[in-house]
Formats: sequence, C-alpha cells, structure tokens
Amino acid sequence: AQSVTQLGSHVSVSEGALVLLRCNYSSSVPPYLFWYVQYPNQGLQLLLKYTSAATLVKGINGFEAEFKKSETSFHLTKPSAHMSDAAEYFCAVSEREYGNKLVFGAGTILRVKS
Amino acid sequence: DAGVTQSPTHLIKTRGQQVTLRCSPISGHKSVSWYQQVLGQGPQFIFQYYEKEERGRGNFPDRFSARQFPNYSSELNVNALLLGDSALYLCASSETGAGFADTQYFGPGTRLTVL
Repeated sequence: AQSVTQLGSHVSVSEGALVLLRCNYSSSVPPYLFWYVQYPNQGLQLLLKYTSAATLVKGINGFEAEFKKSETSFHLTKPSAHMSDAAEYFCAVSEREYGNKLVFGAGTILRVKS
Repeated sequence: DAGVTQSPTHLIKTRGQQVTLRCSPISGHKSVSWYQQVLGQGPQFIFQYYEKEERGRGNFPDRFSARQFPNYSSELNVNALLLGDSALYLCASSETGAGFADTQYFGPGTRLTVL
C-alpha cells in the first residue's frame, strides 16, 4: 500500500535562507511522486513531479526535489526563501496499480520570517 | 484557458441534509477526481471518473456518490450529512485519467460546513 510521511508539520525559515521540506514514501513498486502547494483558501497547485526520467526534478518558483530510492525520499528544496513561499506544501504518490489516485501526506506549513 | 472550476464556493448545511457539489474540468480533460480535505490534513481520494465511468473509489461510505456528464463535468453528492463531513472538497481534472503519471489539476474547492 502507498503512504507518504511528511516530517515536520510546521517549518519556519528566514527570508533568503534554504528551504527544506521532507517527504518519505512507502511503495511496493517504483512510484510517481508529486509536490503540490496550497495557498490559504485556494486549491492545490502542482510544483513538480517525478516520473523516473531524472532523479533531480526542477519545478516552478525555483523549487526542486531529488528522488532517492535508497532512502525512499523525495525532499523539496529551494536555495533562497521568499515571503511569497509561505504556504502549505503537500507531497503525494501515485502507483500504476491504483491508476489516477493520489495519496497525500499530511502537509507542511512553511512560514517565512522577514 | 480556464482552469478547473467548482461551485458553490461555500456551503452551509445541517446534519441529515443532502448536498451536491459541481465541477467543470479544464477544456479537453476527460477525467475528474474528487478529494476531501479535512482541516489540518492532506486531501483524501473519494472518486475518479473517466468517460462517465467510475474508475476508482476511496474508502468512503455509500452516502457519497458521484457522476460524470457527457461534457465531462461532474457532480459529487453526499447524503445524510454528518458533522464529520465538514471539509474542503477538491475536484481535479486530468487529460486521460488512464495513467498514474497523469498530472491532476485542482480547482479552488468547495468549503462545506455541516452544523
């Protein structure tokens, strides 16, 4: 069965500092992995997705994530945080067996301090 | 192009009532999925529809039902509402819905409050 664990329900960084949001997954087969961002009172916006083409995936707004099979991880990073990055971030996994279904983690709220 | 649209934006119902939520996918997308997001949690998969056929169902009671219309829009119905049904209901569309790599695009959601 698929599952996603996001370590840290809240992360706080200073503006200009490195952003690191952690995601570990459980999957019996090679998964497809996604990061979504949710701003207050809005739906989810896709940041990036891993589809096995390359282990380092670049997304929108300067975010990137690295797939590490040995660690079953797909952590999200951004070199320099901006105030506009404050939002909630969700990691999600899908597997061929389950078709279109996404399984989400509980989310990490990112706070950016000025 | 317009993104995924959902209506209504907000809804307040009382226990035992029934509710219908609506979703219009991105033009050209044939698959619609529904998710429930309870406050403080990640979205939970409810249904997927593709070409008017149910393709997947999450662990939700039979009080939850959905359908997809010939124009690919969709409705989610919830009967006999419980307080625990209070949540943000998200609709997502994708081009085919046939592959697990299919990117899903989410709408802004419908906030349902059950009193």
